[in-house]
Amino acid sequence: DAKTTQPPSMDCAEGRAANLPCNHSTISGNEYVYWYRQIHSQGPQYIIHGLKNNETNEMASLIITEDRKSSTLILPHATLRDTAVYYCIAETGANNLFFGTGTRLTVIP
Amino acid sequence: EAGVAQSPRYKIIEKRQSVAFWCNPISGHATLYWYQQILGQGPKLLIQFQNNGVVDDSQLPKDRFSAERLKGVDSTLKIQPAKLEDSAVYLCASSLVRAPGQGRNEQFFGPGTRLTVL
Repeated sequence: DAKTTQPPSMDCAEGRAANLPCNHSTISGNEYVYWYRQIHSQGPQYIIHGLKNNETNEMASLIITEDRKSSTLILPHATLRDTAVYYCIAETGANNLFFGTGTRLTVIP
Repeated sequence: EAGVAQSPRYKIIEKRQSVAFWCNPISGHATLYWYQQILGQGPKLLIQFQNNGVVDDSQLPKDRFSAERLKGVDSTLKIQPAKLEDSAVYLCASSLVRAPGQGRNEQFFGPGTRLTVL
């Protein structure tokens, strides 16, 4: 699976958009980009995934660059409950997820 | 819908003792995973089952760790004997079976068991 690189931490003001970047320069054509998050003392939770096209759901938007070497997870209106560690994962069809160390997002009141 | 259940939530043991963790996946989920999460790191896959068969156990330290999933539902992860470096949160997750690249790989995680080895 392709490795991903994320900043270790970010802050975001409550109510503002949180933009979490991820580099996956070695991603191959069949590897999906997944985002999970882990709130303190809980198990990780699926957020969104994509292959080539931008995706949006009720939780977030995923923007993937045309060359697929990087992506950005957007939380449009961050709340205090969005404080968590966010993991960007490049996944093949093997049903395995390789979690790196993620980005610790802190939403500030 | 009930989520993934794990027990116990916390366990403290001394090194060289044995410990077992239990997981009950979401009903109908044929795939079950055990992860180890050391403080400050992301979860690391230990073993993956599909029904009662092992799909991937390449990261499982087989000299001390064992896991089983009898009848393809509940699963037990055992450590015998425990070492100090086994202190971690052990997460169980389950998912539906999906063909490679088809549908989303949404794994549902339980709350985990926090193990402290003294």
